[in-house]
Amino acid sequence: DVKVTQSSRYLVKRTGEKVFLECVQDMDHENMFWYRQDPGLGLRLIYFSYDVKMKEKGDIPEGYSVSREKKERFSLILESASTNQTSMYLCASMVGSYEQYFGPGTRLTVT
Amino acid sequence: QKEVEQNSGPLSVPEGAIASLNCTYSDRGSQSFFWYRQYSGKSPELIMFIYSNGDKEDGRFTAQLNKASQYVSLLIRDSQPSDSATYLCAVNPFYGNNRLAFGKGNQVVVIP
Repeated sequence: DVKVTQSSRYLVKRTGEKVFLECVQDMDHENMFWYRQDPGLGLRLIYFSYDVKMKEKGDIPEGYSVSREKKERFSLILESASTNQTSMYLCASMVGSYEQYFGPGTRLTVT
Repeated sequence: QKEVEQNSGPLSVPEGAIASLNCTYSDRGSQSFFWYRQYSGKSPELIMFIYSNGDKEDGRFTAQLNKASQYVSLLIRDSQPSDSATYLCAVNPFYGNNRLAFGKGNQVVVIP
């Protein structure tokens, strides 16, 4: 079975803090994705990566950056957290053009 | 036009009935189609994928794809209370570089 893990299930941070969310997959997948999910807005793609050190912006990259130094690990960085970044953050991985598998999610609250 | 649309509102079905969910997509070149189930507070879980026109059955779930009409549907037979969840339709567009386009989801409530 594919396993995608995320570093935290719940996280509370203060405005202005730098926040790191980490995602690890164990299936040697090339493609990894970061989404956020908000009520009424659905899943929105923040960034994705199709190879080590490669990244592409998704639909809402502002205020975020990413890092992929190893194939199995994809990190999302909030440079200076703001209250409007309070959300559920979901990581996913995918091999080729096939299915995406999601991690359990991190519910981030910025106060 | 949105890439993937799931228009119907919350769906309430009695236990044992068939739940039917529909999804339309805009990119005619799309090649692969997925249904995810998401329980409240949890992450999406892949339950079905379909690549070819026609029906694909897996247990109580059937996915139906009609590329000419650009829609994909999900049928849940013998609905159980455990099927109460939000169902997300996702499409891999032709241009997409493996970026899935997701619908906003349909909530299903199975009434015992």
